Amino acid sequence: SQQGEEDPQALSIQEGENATMNCSYKTSINNLQWYRQNSGRGLVHLILIRSNEREKHSGRLRVTLDTSKKSSSLLITASRAADTASYFCATDAPGGYQKVTFGTGTKLQVIP
Amino acid sequence: AAGVIQSPRHLIKEKRETATLKCYPIPRHDTVYWYQQGPGQDPQFLISFYEKMQSDKGSIPDRFSAQQFSDYHSELNMSSLELGDSALYFCASSPSTLRGTGELFFGEGSRLTVL
Repeated sequence: SQQGEEDPQALSIQEGENATMNCSYKTSINNLQWYRQNSGRGLVHLILIRSNEREKHSGRLRVTLDTSKKSSSLLITASRAADTASYFCATDAPGGYQKVTFGTGTKLQVIP
Repeated sequence: AAGVIQSPRHLIKEKRETATLKCYPIPRHDTVYWYQQGPGQDPQFLISFYEKMQSDKGSIPDRFSAQQFSDYHSELNMSSLELGDSALYFCASSPSTLRGTGELFFGEGSRLTVL
């Protein structure tokens, strides 16, 4: 079964709007990461948040982590057409540093 | 900067044939991961290696095997290919950290088509 489930599965917004994607997971984690994937391409790392952190920022990205609810959110502010891609959360697990599991992904379309 | 190199980029095989995918991780990265991504699907973890030793296994079929060599490159061998094996296969490498998994660096993938 999937460790991470993304919500929503698809999101369409206008350029300049904010996009929020959510991820839930099932077991305890060390770290949670967000990745971006353009169609048919390799995944690109966006941001990593550790289990003892609650919020992290990187440019137009803001990630929150709620370990009590086993959930995370990725906010992209002032979206651009170039942000159109699929976004995945990925988690590892204590004692499983070399097993990183991806969720089902959110397909984001930003309309110019 | 050097990235993760995967070869071949595209591969077409017949059912029941064998395929081998290669991955060259970023120098000094000690962990290699393999993922399978079907059309419209999320990446499924197959297997990982840490310092050339198999570390974790995911949903890897028994028909598949992998290894990491002394020069740190890795190969994924797939035998008795089935139509359902058609997918993008990604390799990723990562430096280990003291606080769990670090950032994974992905290759561009190998697209396997089984006819």
